[in-house]
Amino acid sequence: NAGVTQTPKFQVLKTGQSMTLQCAQDMNHEYMSWYRQDPGMGLRLIHYSVGAGITDQGEVPNGYNVSRSTTEDFPLRLLSAAPSQTSVYFCASSGQFGEQFFGPGTRLTVL
Amino acid sequence: GESVGLHLPTLSVQEGDNSIINCAYSNSASDYFIWYKQESGKGPQFIIDIRSNMDKRQGQRVTVLLNKTVKHLSLQIAATQPGDSAVYFCAENLYIIQGAQKLVFGQGTRLTINP
Repeated sequence: NAGVTQTPKFQVLKTGQSMTLQCAQDMNHEYMSWYRQDPGMGLRLIHYSVGAGITDQGEVPNGYNVSRSTTEDFPLRLLSAAPSQTSVYFCASSGQFGEQFFGPGTRLTVL
Repeated sequence: GESVGLHLPTLSVQEGDNSIINCAYSNSASDYFIWYKQESGKGPQFIIDIRSNMDKRQGQRVTVLLNKTVKHLSLQIAATQPGDSAVYFCAENLYIIQGAQKLVFGQGTRLTINP
C-alpha cells in the first residue's frame, strides 16, 4: 500500500513549456485534490475531483487543467508554464468526509 | 471569506518542554479544524482534528483546544522531542459538495527544538 504517489519529484521548465504532474493513490479514495505551496505560505487548492469523470476548480485554478479518467489517477497539466507557477505541488486523497492524505510533492521551477 | 492565521511564524523550545502553537480563524460558522505537521521535503501529515462541538481533544502527546468565543485554537505538544521539529499548519476543513473537502491553511509555524 503506497498511499499517494507523485512524479516527478523535481522538474525545471522553461516559460511556455507544457508538462503533466502525475498523482496516483491506491486507497480507492473517491476524493482527490491538487494544492500548491509557495514559500512561507500554507497550501492553496488548485483543482479537486469527487470521483472519476468529475472535476472542479479550487481557489487558484488559472493556468492548470485536470482530468479524472480513473479512481486511482489525477494528473495536473500545465499547458504553458509561467514563472508564477514555480511552486511545490501536493496531491491529496481522502474517502468521503475522511482524513486527507498528502503525497510527497513535486518541486517545480519555471525559468 | 475564509481566513485562518497563525500567531507566530517561528517558535523555539527546549527539548522536553511543552510547545504551544496558536491559530485564529475568522468565520464563526467554521466547524472542523485539522492540525498538520510538515517536515522538510515532505507533504503535510495529519496530527489531530477537532470539531466545533468539542472544546478539547487529546492524542498521543498532543492536545488541541478550541475556543469558539474568540475563534482561536491551539496545538499543545507535550515533552517536545527533536522529531517534533517541523512546520505546523492549522487548517479549516470545509465541505463543498458530494463530500469534497477544501482545506484552508494558515501560514504555518516553524517549531525548532533546542537541545
